[in-house]
Amino acid sequence: GDSVTQMEGPVTLSEEAFLTINCTYTATGYPSLFWYVQYPGEGLQLLLKATKADDKGSNKGFEATYRKETTSFHLEKGSVQVSDSAVYFCALTLTSGTYKYIFGTGTRLKVLA
Amino acid sequence: EAQVTQNPRYLITVTGKKLTVTCSQNMNHEYMSWYRQDPGLGLRQIYYSMNVEVTDKGDVPEGYKVSRKEKRNFPLILESPSPNQTSLYFCASSATPGQGRWREKLFFGSGTQLSVL
Repeated sequence: GDSVTQMEGPVTLSEEAFLTINCTYTATGYPSLFWYVQYPGEGLQLLLKATKADDKGSNKGFEATYRKETTSFHLEKGSVQVSDSAVYFCALTLTSGTYKYIFGTGTRLKVLA
Repeated sequence: EAQVTQNPRYLITVTGKKLTVTCSQNMNHEYMSWYRQDPGLGLRQIYYSMNVEVTDKGDVPEGYKVSRKEKRNFPLILESPSPNQTSLYFCASSATPGQGRWREKLFFGSGTQLSVL
């Protein structure tokens, strides 16, 4: 079935380190792909999205590229800050048949000063 | 301010005592949805609604009910809660997908932490 697989956390980095959080998906058709971020005690909020192959989503220094050939949507940031500490969720929406979001299990990021 | 409002924020109850978690959005969104978040399992969809009087099951609907009598409100009802429904619940909304591809972002509420003893 359709699914999203994320790397397990927690991921602990020092400030200004490079971040990669892996995300791969299984889906029929051509899903739209999303990264959501959840700060402590809050709901999820959209970080970035890509709607077709080779699209690059970007926001707040984070980037992710929709790779259809590898069914991946890895999240990257060149220099993390303490304020980036949060849980990151990869997600997809299906293009037909059902209007459902499918989320990954989330990856907790902790950035140390 | 555009927002999704859930109440209560925290709820402790006992097995079998009916409860309702309310959800309201002020963005005139057609699509609303409920999720539960559990450690190691991420977010799982319980129910969703495409519009007033239109609801459908998500991945984990057992033990839950919903209703959509008004566009802005989408309450989650636990008729007879059990301890395995202890979880963090989120309501979310988005604009209607419309024709063709669906790519709308979800707006989330702040969550309801439910404990069933």
